Amino acid sequence: QVQLQESGPGLVKPSETLSLTCTVSGDSITSSFWSWIRQPPGKGLEWIAYIHYSGSTNYNPSLKSRVSISVDTANNQLSLKLNSVTAADTAVYYCARHGSVVLGGVNAYPLDYWGQGTLVTVSS
Amino acid sequence: DIVMTQSPLSLAVTPGEPASISCRSSQSLRHRNGYYYLEWYLQKPGQSPQLLIYLGSNRASGVPDRFSGSGSGTDFTLKISNVEAEDVGIYYCLQDVQSPRTFGPGTKVDIK
Repeated sequence: QVQLQESGPGLVKPSETLSLTCTVSGDSITSSFWSWIRQPPGKGLEWIAYIHYSGSTNYNPSLKSRVSISVDTANNQLSLKLNSVTAADTAVYYCARHGSVVLGGVNAYPLDYWGQGTLVTVSS
Repeated sequence: DIVMTQSPLSLAVTPGEPASISCRSSQSLRHRNGYYYLEWYLQKPGQSPQLLIYLGSNRASGVPDRFSGSGSGTDFTLKISNVEAEDVGIYYCLQDVQSPRTFGPGTKVDIK
């Protein structure tokens, strides 16, 4: 069974850097694409970025200037760094796997496994 | 960015009755391969989102067949044929045809 577990500080001060790790078990980090998604308290979902172990990345332009994601194949982990945080970055942060589906010769990569999420609060 | 809207934003359904949620996009979600890159997710209370539907109409593994997705172009629908108590939560559509991926605002489903 594929499992994802986010970890990192639950409290970050304004202007500092938010750093999170997602540990994957039951699957290899080299098997697929992996995304970070966030959800402010009581609000909807926002896709942040995805990464492939090969180094291919794609960022949401709204966050691109402040975000960096990477993979650690040795530890089967992916990481997220978001700098210059403000209160608007307070959210539950999820990591998720892009499953690979082939239908009629067409590829799709829906988010088939999600971590439980970790709440990060930005406050002094 | 492609803007996703959903309606209604909330609904209360009697168990055993059907439910329908609409999702609309500001641009067509048709890929050049002919498929529609629209996904549906359900976030049950206190849980992470879970995949229901991909490529507009294909149920993910383990999803009951009372859930069905349909639509084309910019208009998509998620239908639940016979709502059960375990179906409560917030339903989100997500477009995956163009980066950045964007979610709809969510539709909260409660049981009457």
